[in-house]
Amino acid sequence: GAGVSQSPSNKVTEKGKDVELRCDPISGHTALYWYRQRLGQGLEFLIYFQGNSAPDKSGLPSDRFSAERTGESVSTLTIQRTQQEDSAVYLCASSSTGTSLDTQYFGPGTRLTVL
Amino acid sequence: RKEVEQDPGPFNVPEGATVAFNCTYSNSASQSFFWYRQDCRKEPKLLMSVYSSGNEDGRFTAQLNRASQYISLLIRDSKLSDSATYLCVIHNQAGTALIFGKGTTLSVSS
Repeated sequence: GAGVSQSPSNKVTEKGKDVELRCDPISGHTALYWYRQRLGQGLEFLIYFQGNSAPDKSGLPSDRFSAERTGESVSTLTIQRTQQEDSAVYLCASSSTGTSLDTQYFGPGTRLTVL
Repeated sequence: RKEVEQDPGPFNVPEGATVAFNCTYSNSASQSFFWYRQDCRKEPKLLMSVYSSGNEDGRFTAQLNRASQYISLLIRDSKLSDSATYLCVIHNQAGTALIFGKGTTLSVSS
């Protein structure tokens, strides 16, 4: 079946612009996660959605970052007034129930470059 | 202390070698542990979960030492296709997200 998909695969933007990144989770997965991986660094958790519960936003680095999810489907991560330090690969993952024993399946990521 | 620490390597080994990676974690309350594999410019993929009693999957063996807060991965009979970065991963305290180490790079040569 189809895995997690993300778009765009690459995004180059100028400092100060806003960007929107999209994630389509695996159909039927109730949990969705966003992570960021800067060059040479480990993945950093950003935000977690589980069904209709309030999202866990504890990993968002600043108020320039926000994310939405419509029901149990598509999610968008928005970065306002982008800065050069936002350059990274943004990875989305989904899991079927969101429990700690559940496997998270990752999408291919969006590579964001802020000039 | 970082939540998950790994030796970045690189580990350069010949085909057929046995290689071991170690990882330490700081949160003694962590309950779930994993090894993920990440190929260059690709997304991470689950290699195996790590259970308290230790577990094996083919050439791969994972072990957990809760007292020392230490996780290991052993790869036997290394293949060229094992070349990748191996990520030590735990769940955060809330169980809502994964915490990743920076990874250990393995290069297997013929």
